[in-house]
Amino acid sequence: AQKVTQAQTEISVVEKEDVTLDCVYETRDTTYYLFWYKQPPSGELVFLIRRNSFDEQNEISGRYSWNFQKSTSSFNFTITASQVVDSAVYFCALSEALQGAQKLVFGQGTRLTINP
Amino acid sequence: DTEVTQTPKHLVMGMTNKKSLKCEQHMGHRAMYWYKQKAKKPPELMFVYSYEKLSINESVPSRFSPECPNSSLLNLHLHALQPEDSALYLCASSQIRTTSLGGIQYFGAGTRLSVL
Repeated sequence: AQKVTQAQTEISVVEKEDVTLDCVYETRDTTYYLFWYKQPPSGELVFLIRRNSFDEQNEISGRYSWNFQKSTSSFNFTITASQVVDSAVYFCALSEALQGAQKLVFGQGTRLTINP
Repeated sequence: DTEVTQTPKHLVMGMTNKKSLKCEQHMGHRAMYWYKQKAKKPPELMFVYSYEKLSINESVPSRFSPECPNSSLLNLHLHALQPEDSALYLCASSQIRTTSLGGIQYFGAGTRLSVL
């Protein structure tokens, strides 16, 4: 069965610090997709990134970067020079094919608080 | 435009009421999803519609009745709910890919439901 583990329940840092959110996944599939979503207090899940299992290149988007390592089944997310607006719950998710459709298997989420 | 619109934003209902949640998208996505999210938990999949047909029902009680009247609209009809059904209900949509995997799900802001 697919599983996603986000061991850090809550993280609190001071603004401008760098912070890394960990994500470890389990799957028997050779083809799979991983996602990160951000959920601010407003409730909407905001898509951040999608990575497929054949693309191990790290990705950088502004202050955000992602480190995908198949050897350790990890897909970690780093925010550089954090800002108060980064405060949110962050979910890592794994895509599972189910009856011709797609199911997202979410981790438990990491609540990130950036203090001014 | 990656907008999924959900109405109402907030809903309070009694256990004998009948109400409906509405979700709309105009991205041409042919897969639409209902999720339930309890406080401090990840979203849990309830239903998936593919090409306006119900493809996944994750053993949801019959007091929740989904409907997909056309490719842009998704409804969730509620009847005889229990207080434990109080939660954030999220709608999402995605393209359908031939591999069934990897489609990016775009989420609405949700409906916060309270059952008294």
